[in-house]
Amino acid sequence: TAGITQAPTSQILAAGRSMTLRCTQDMRHNAMYWYRQDLGLGLRLIHYSNTAGTTGKGEVPDGYSVSRANTDDFPLTLASAVPSQTSVYFCASSGQNTGELFFGEGSRLTVL
Amino acid sequence: GIQVEQSPPDLILQEGANSTLRCNFSDSVNNLQWFHQNPWGQLINLFYIPSGTKQNGRLSATTVATERYSLLYISSSQTTDSGVYFCAPISNFGNEKLTFGTGTRLTIIP
Repeated sequence: TAGITQAPTSQILAAGRSMTLRCTQDMRHNAMYWYRQDLGLGLRLIHYSNTAGTTGKGEVPDGYSVSRANTDDFPLTLASAVPSQTSVYFCASSGQNTGELFFGEGSRLTVL
Repeated sequence: GIQVEQSPPDLILQEGANSTLRCNFSDSVNNLQWFHQNPWGQLINLFYIPSGTKQNGRLSATTVATERYSLLYISSSQTTDSGVYFCAPISNFGNEKLTFGTGTRLTIIP
């Protein structure tokens, strides 16, 4: 079972370049999320989507954008990457009934 | 938003030992999850436990919502239990998104 698939697994990016992190889930979950994890700061919510066609801002949305064209996909875009966006990014989803959260494997992004 | 405090921040134990990890939260909750982040970075669901007690093998969890805390018990620790344990409650109020504690780093020594 695939669950949540993230790509790429890791990426090195020059500052100022754009980048899209991909996330696909096959559990037909309504809600999807993007978190970033930084040493000493734990997991922080960037953006979320409660259902296809809607998105919302989390705790640290600046510099990131998302879209939710369908139930399965929730890409995260960095329009112009900066070194402070170096982090591990986790995509997650949750079902409508319980709200239980499931995570992807993570994408490690380094911005130089 | 809801405040989450986990203790202890670090724990080093000999293989075979038992441990109790604590999660305190500041508001009423309608959902709480425990996660294990293994040394490879994977976030693994352990328990979905807004209240009561659940057990899964050597692990069990108890949430006392009225007292605003949850406990994770690990018995007969194994080296594969090493990693960081996060609790994540959702408040009954606010924007209903999970808020993560900063975690307890557990190291099991063979």
